Amino acid sequence: AQKVTQAQTEISVVEKEDVTLDCVYETRDTTYYLFWYKQPPSGELVFLIRRNSFDEQNEISGRYSWNFQKSTSSFNFTITASQVVDSAVYFCALGANTGNQFYFGTGTSLTVIP
Amino acid sequence: NAGVTQTPKFQVLKTGQSMTLQCAQDMNHNSMYWYRQDPGMGLRLIYYSASEGTTDKGEVPNGYNVSRLNKREFSLRLESAAPSQTSVYFCASSEASWENEKLFFGSGTQLSVL
Repeated sequence: AQKVTQAQTEISVVEKEDVTLDCVYETRDTTYYLFWYKQPPSGELVFLIRRNSFDEQNEISGRYSWNFQKSTSSFNFTITASQVVDSAVYFCALGANTGNQFYFGTGTSLTVIP
Repeated sequence: NAGVTQTPKFQVLKTGQSMTLQCAQDMNHNSMYWYRQDPGMGLRLIYYSASEGTTDKGEVPNGYNVSRLNKREFSLRLESAAPSQTSVYFCASSEASWENEKLFFGSGTQLSVL
């Protein structure tokens, strides 16, 4: 079965703190893709990153970084020096060859307090 | 750049009424999707169209029908709306579902069924 779990429903941090959003996935596919999307208060979902199952290198983009560990089936997202504009709901998703579908987690609502 | 355009943005229906949500993309994408977003449930796939001329059921297809009118347009129809269909609906597109390309989302339709 394909499944994505985001155990953190809501997180609040004070501006400039670092925060990590957890994502754990389940799949029996050997080839799969992992994604993070951001949904700001405006409601539209915005793509942040896509990683395939063969590339476990961590990635950094500005204040954002992602840690992919196949051994623990996790794809965690860290925001360094958080800002108010980071306040949003963040979704982790799994793209699996089986069924040609994307499987989304339930999302983590992040509030950054000024 | 328009990207994915869906209409309407808001709709209120009475139980038993029918309506069609429209979606169009201008990125020449092969694959299109309809998701619904409910609190605590994340995004759940209703139907998808891997390519023009094909449609497939997702996780929650009951009560919905879809039409892939052409490569650009993918509509979602509620034949007899029920309160359980109160939700935010998102249309999305991607270059190809089988390669798990990232999704581009529309701005959403907030539907209330009374």
